Parts: sequence; C-alpha cells; structure tokens
Amino acid sequence: TQLLEQSPQFLSIQEGENLTVYCNSSSVFSSLQWYRQEPGEGPVLLVTVVTGGEVKKLKRLTFQFGDARKDSSLHITAAQPGDTGLYLCAGQETSGSRLTFGEGTQLTVNP
Amino acid sequence: DAGVIQSPRHEVTEMGQEVTLRCKPISGHNSLFWYRQTMMRGLELLIYFNNNVPIDDSGMPEDRFSAKMPNASFSTLKIQPSEPRDSAVYFCASSLAHGYSGNTIYFGEGSWLTVV
Repeated sequence: TQLLEQSPQFLSIQEGENLTVYCNSSSVFSSLQWYRQEPGEGPVLLVTVVTGGEVKKLKRLTFQFGDARKDSSLHITAAQPGDTGLYLCAGQETSGSRLTFGEGTQLTVNP
Repeated sequence: DAGVIQSPRHEVTEMGQEVTLRCKPISGHNSLFWYRQTMMRGLELLIYFNNNVPIDDSGMPEDRFSAKMPNASFSTLKIQPSEPRDSAVYFCASSLAHGYSGNTIYFGEGSWLTVV
C-alpha cells in the first residue's frame, strides 16, 4: 500500500488568513484527490488532479499536483468559518481503483 | 438522485455480538468500497468490489470481518464476534468505473459503531 502523509494534522486560524495543507508520498500516483469531511458525514470530493504540475482552482481553493505526481498541496485564500472541516488527500494507485487516504488535516477557522 | 445509502446510522452493541452493516450503492455504479475511519488510523480501505466480485480484501482486519455483495445494489459488512476495538465509523462508497484514473468515489454518511 502506498502511503500519504498530510501536514499539518491540525490547523486553527483566524478568518481572513491564508493557509496551505501538504500531502506527500514517496510513491507515484495516477491521480490525487482532495476531500472535505464535515462532522457526521462522509468525505465529499473537492477536486481531482491527474497531470503532473497541474493546478486547479475552486473559488478560494487552489490545488496543485507535484511534477512527479508524488505530492500535492491545497491552498486556501482568505479562509472563512465555513471552510472548517477535515481535509483529506487521497491517491489513486497506478494499478487500479484503490484509493489510499492521508490522515487528514483538521482545519478550524475562527470568526 | 439518491446517494450511497447506509444502515444503520448508529449502532451500539455488546462485545461478542454479531454486527451487520448494510449498503446500497448509487444505481449504475459498478465499484463498491468499504472503509473504516478512526481517530488513530484515519480512513482505511477494508475491501472493494468490482461488478459484485471482491477485488482486494487485504484491508480486512481479520477473520471476524466478512463482506458480501450478492447483487449490484446491495452489500453487507459483517463482524462476528464484535470487539470494542471494532468501534469506528464504517463508510460505504461507490464509483462508476474501475481502474479509471480520477474516477469520483461517492461516500455514504457512515455507520457509527460502538462495541461495549
């Protein structure tokens, strides 16, 4: 199983601040996904990146896939309390559908 | 459209009892996944099926765990006998394609299991 490490594990910031969450692995993935999970619910897909070096934007969220397809980052600009949640990265193994999740980053944005 | 439907949402059971968790995937999806989430270990893949056939069950903890998918619209995850360390949130998820890079996996709301 290919492992994904996320950092930081916990992040508490004030509304309006910027933040970056990192997802790293020593393995290559065919694609990488970012999910957001709220209490009492299942993870919900935010974005999928497939090509090395790819950058995708979703409003105030910017996702980047590393050139070597081993790492990814999520940057949030001007964070809002509604961004609070558990952010999970997940790498899809090159051999098939198996999706390996990172441990998650618990983000709290204080008003 | 109905998403992935799981039942029960919450279950509290005594150690040694059998637990059966149920899942109805999204209609038309041919891959189904069972995940377990705990604070200590995060989200772990237990088993996944493609076209009702188990493809990878290497994440199933031990023989006390078993999963079946008798048809395209139903799957069960059974724990017998249950132990306190099995307490976790169990998620079922489904997706449209197998082996397609970047396919979207849709999660249910989870079954919260507490074994006392």
